[in-house]
Amino acid sequence: LAKTTQPISMDSYEGQEVNITCSHNNIATNDYITWYQQFPSQGPRFIIQGYKTKVTNEVASLFIPADRKSSTLSLPRVSLSDTAVYYCLVGEGNQGGKLIFGQGTELSVKP
Amino acid sequence: DAGVIQSPRHEVTEMGQEVTLRCKPISGHNSLFWYRQTMMRGLELLIYFNNNVPIDDSGMPEDRFSAKMPNASFSTLKIQPSEPRDSAVYFCASSLGRTSGDYEQYFGPGTRLTVT
Repeated sequence: LAKTTQPISMDSYEGQEVNITCSHNNIATNDYITWYQQFPSQGPRFIIQGYKTKVTNEVASLFIPADRKSSTLSLPRVSLSDTAVYYCLVGEGNQGGKLIFGQGTELSVKP
Repeated sequence: DAGVIQSPRHEVTEMGQEVTLRCKPISGHNSLFWYRQTMMRGLELLIYFNNNVPIDDSGMPEDRFSAKMPNASFSTLKIQPSEPRDSAVYFCASSLGRTSGDYEQYFGPGTRLTVT
C-alpha cells in the first residue's frame, strides 16, 4: 500500500479555510485517496474519497492533481468543532477495503 | 441504525487474564475490521473479515490474539493471556465491503483496555 506523508500539526482560526496536503508519491493506478477525521475518544469518521480531479461533499473538498502524487483536503470556514486529527490514506481498490492509517494531522482551531 | 456496537466500553484486567472484546457490525455490512490504537503506534489494523471469512490477519501481533466472526452480526477479539503492553483502545469497524474502491468504514466507539 502506498505510504502517505502529511504535516503532523496545523493551527487555524474559526472561519478560515484550512487546506491539508498529503503526499503519496508511490500511488498506484488502482489506488483511491481517502480522508478520515478522528475526535478525541472516538473512532475515525470517513470524510471524503476520490480518485482524480476534484470531489466535493457537504463536509469538505478533495483536490487531486493530474499526477495524483498528492492530494489536498479543504475544509471551508472551520469552527472549533473541527479540531481533530485528519488522516490521509491510500489504498488499492482490490484490497477489500484494507486501510493503513499513518500519523495524521492534528488540526487545532482557535477562536 | 445504531451504528457499530462494541462491548465492553472499558475493561480493566490483570496480567495473565483472558480478555474478550465484542463487536456487532452495522446490519448489511459485509466487511468487519479490528483496529488497535495507542499513542506510540497510532491506529493499527489487526485483522479484517469479508463475508465472515478472515481475509488478512497479518496485523495480529502474536498468537495470544485471536478473532472470530461466527455470523454476519457478531465478532470477537480475544487476548489470552493478556499483558500490560496490550493496553490500548480497540476499535471495530464495518463497511459494505464492495469489491472495489470501498473505503467508507464505520467505526464503533471503541473498547479501552487496561491490563495491570
